Amino acid sequence: ETGVTQSPTHLIKTRGQQVTLRCSSQSGHNTVSWYQQALGQGPQFIFQYYREEENGRGNFPPRFSGLQFPNYSSELNVNALELDDSALYLCASSSGQVNEKLFFGSGTQLSVL
Amino acid sequence: SQKIEQNSEALNIQEGKTATLTCNYTNYSPAYLQWYRQDPGRGPVFLLLIRENEKEKRKERLKVTFDTTLKQSLFHITASQPADSATYLCALDPLSEKLTFGTGTRLTIIP
Repeated sequence: ETGVTQSPTHLIKTRGQQVTLRCSSQSGHNTVSWYQQALGQGPQFIFQYYREEENGRGNFPPRFSGLQFPNYSSELNVNALELDDSALYLCASSSGQVNEKLFFGSGTQLSVL
Repeated sequence: SQKIEQNSEALNIQEGKTATLTCNYTNYSPAYLQWYRQDPGRGPVFLLLIRENEKEKRKERLKVTFDTTLKQSLFHITASQPADSATYLCALDPLSEKLTFGTGTRLTIIP
């Protein structure tokens, strides 16, 4: 176990709705990265937060937004859900050093109907 | 455009044999490369990291090579076991961007 916890584990939403996913990082880690993994694909980088500031963003529209809190836990918010947003959303924590491995949670499986 | 390709979506290997997975990349100059294992319904788990100035890295039955001229990494599992069955992901650090993953290879070890 990595010590990274995500909630909820599964979620079903309808198109147009909004969703908030949560992540608690591993103790001692101040950096959280969010990834989207569609079925049969590798994880795609959404964004990263370092000490409560966004520190890099992938090719995702603005309706994907995030927050990091003083305890380094994090939220991913997705507005105006689309069918293609159905995926496994992964949170990974690290201590923010270069060349560092990521510690992933088990993910939130989001289904948009 | 930048691309990371892993050989075949699925690979079946007889138990006891060596499994070799390939990761090829184009239009990247990674400082290092990582390999992760992912089981169904779980997040990826880190296995090995190899730097651009290292040719080979080993950990127990795992071996990774990194050829920056060929733009390729090979991941070997020797004396493979059914418990090694999983999806294996390679990931690059393209310096100015965050860790970028390949599509993965689903490995099945047949008893």
